[in-house]
Parts: sequence; structure tokens; C-alpha cells
Amino acid sequence: DARVTQTPRDKVTEMGQEVTMRCQPILGHNTVFWYRQTMMQGLELLAYFRNRAPLDDSGMPKDRFSAEMPDATLATLKIQPSEPRDSAVYFCASGFIAAIGGTGHFKTEAFFGQGTRLTVV
Amino acid sequence: AQRVTQPEKLLSVFKGAPVELKCNYSYSGSPELFWYVQYSRQRLQLLLRHISRESIKGFTADLNKGETSFHLKKPFAQEEDSAMYYCALPTGGGNKLTFGTGTQLKVEL
Repeated sequence: DARVTQTPRDKVTEMGQEVTMRCQPILGHNTVFWYRQTMMQGLELLAYFRNRAPLDDSGMPKDRFSAEMPDATLATLKIQPSEPRDSAVYFCASGFIAAIGGTGHFKTEAFFGQGTRLTVV
Repeated sequence: AQRVTQPEKLLSVFKGAPVELKCNYSYSGSPELFWYVQYSRQRLQLLLRHISRESIKGFTADLNKGETSFHLKKPFAQEEDSAMYYCALPTGGGNKLTFGTGTQLKVEL
């Protein structure tokens, strides 16, 4: 049963430190998403990749966040420097996004990892 | 703007009572909508999608284009249904999934 794997599960760090979150997407999926979950905002899309190329990172604070996909088995989300307001659960999700021919619909489905719970003190 | 709205942050019902989790959408065209569920401290998982017209764990959702709604319903709530529920809509030309803010369902005994 293929699953998206995220590490670490929990991270506590001090303000100003660099944080790196890792994600191993499901093999064969062409899209990787990074979401941030908070009580107030729910699930916010930070960035996503198609075939390892960044498609949209407009949801990320550019000055401190960066997302990369160095190869098909690894996606990373970095925060440098981290701030207390970055405390949240960060989810990675992968999926195979493709148009369903003739219908006008897309096969758009996301399989989620278990998340990284980040606490910045 | 294409978005989904879940007006309730928390819904509390008694076991055996009917459940309706509300979702309204804003979308030009024919939308494809999903419901995801997140049990306590677990990953989000797909519950159902409107294209499949399926019933999963007793839940159903009907797309109402007139009311632009995709409410999630279950006739009799079970304790194990307690979870966070998210409504989602493909946006950006179908390239990404946009989620609502979620509704926490609490089923009380």
C-alpha cells in the first residue's frame, strides 16, 4: 500500500533556526503539493510541483520559505529563519493530475502524508 | 475566484442523529468536488468525490448546482465519525486542490 512519507513527524525549534521538512511522494505521481494546516486558516496551499518543476509557490512567504524537488523521490520545504507564527502542521501530498479526455474534468486527487508538526518557540 | 466555503468550524451531534456538513463553492463551469476526512492526528484521506456518486462509510454528497452546494450527509452518526472534514475543489485549471477551512465533527454519546 503506497503512501506519502514525511519526516520528521514533530519538530520543535527556536526562533531564527533553519527548519527542513522532507517528503517522499508516491512513485509514479506527477504532482507534489505542500500545504500548511492551522486552526484559523485551515489548509493553505504553499507550493506545488509538476514533474519536479515548480508550478506555483505564490502561497509561500518568499523571503523565508523555499521548496525544492531535487529528484522524483524527494521534496523539501525549508524555512529560514523560522518564526513563532510558522508553527503549524505541514502536509505534503502527491497525486497524478491529468485531464480526463473529452469530459472537461481533471483527475485531480491528492494523497497526503502524515504531516510535520512544527513548533517554533 | 474559485473557492469552497465551509461555514461551520464545529458541528456537534448525538450518536444516531443525522449529520449534514455544509460546503458551498464558487466556480465557473462544471465543478468536480471532493470530501476529505482527517481523524485525530492522522493524514487526510479522500472520503468521496461527486463524480463517483458513491457512498463511503454511510456518507453521501450531492452536487446542487442551483445552490452551488456539495453538502456531506449521513443519516445516523456514529462515534467513529468524529473527525475534521474538508471540502475541496480543483482550481488553477485543475492543476491543484483548494480546500475549505474544515468542519470539526464531534459525535457525542
